[in-house]
Amino acid sequence: GQSLEQPSEVTAVEGAIVQINCTYQTSGFYGLSWYQQHDGGAPTFLSYNALDGLEETGRFSSFLSRSDSYGYLLLQELQMKDSASYFCAVEGQGFSFIFGKGTRLLVKP
Amino acid sequence: SAVISQKPSRDICQRGTSLTIQCQVDSQVTMMFWYRQQPGQSLTLIATANQGSEATYESGFVIDKFPISRPNLTFSTLTVSNMSPEDSSIYLCSVTSGRRNEQFFGPGTRLTVL
Repeated sequence: GQSLEQPSEVTAVEGAIVQINCTYQTSGFYGLSWYQQHDGGAPTFLSYNALDGLEETGRFSSFLSRSDSYGYLLLQELQMKDSASYFCAVEGQGFSFIFGKGTRLLVKP
Repeated sequence: SAVISQKPSRDICQRGTSLTIQCQVDSQVTMMFWYRQQPGQSLTLIATANQGSEATYESGFVIDKFPISRPNLTFSTLTVSNMSPEDSSIYLCSVTSGRRNEQFFGPGTRLTVL
C-alpha cells in the first residue's frame, strides 16, 4: 500500500528551530513536497525535493533521502505566524498525489 | 503561480440532493485536481481532470457519485451527487505549476449535509 507518516503534533517556542519528519511508502516516486495550511485556509506550497539533499527557502529548509524514503521540513527562527498544519506529500504513479495526515505545529511565545 | 476561485464557498444541503462546485483558474492549465478534506484531517485526492478527456478517479471514488466536467483549460466542476452526511467535508480544487508536485489550491468549498 501507499502511506506517509508524520507526527501529529509538535510544539516549540518562538525563535526556536523545529523539524517535522515524514516517512513514506509509495509505488513510484517523483518527489516530496511540503505544504502549510492555516486553520480555515487553503494549503500553500512550501518546498519540493526530487533529489537527495537539502533545499533551502528562507527560514524553511527541506531534506530528502530517497534511499531511506524519508524527508523532513526544518523551520528556523520560529514565529507565531508559523503555527499551522504542515503536510508532506508525494506523487506516485500517474499524478496520484498522496498527502500525509499533517503535523499541527503550535508556536508558543 | 495561479489564482484559483471556487463557488460556492460554503453550502448546507439536504441529504439526497446534489451540489455542483465550480473551480475557475486565471490561466490555462492542463491538469486540475479535486480533493476532499475533513476538518483537521488530511487531503484525499478524488480525481484528476484533464481537458478533453474523462476524469481519472482514485480508489474509493466513482464517477456516478462525483461526476466531473472539464470543458476548457481554465474551468472545472465537481458534482457531489445523492449526498449523505458522510459527504460533509471541504472540497478543494488545485492545479500544478510547471514543476511536478507544486500545487496551487483554491480556497475550498465547505459542504455540510444534513
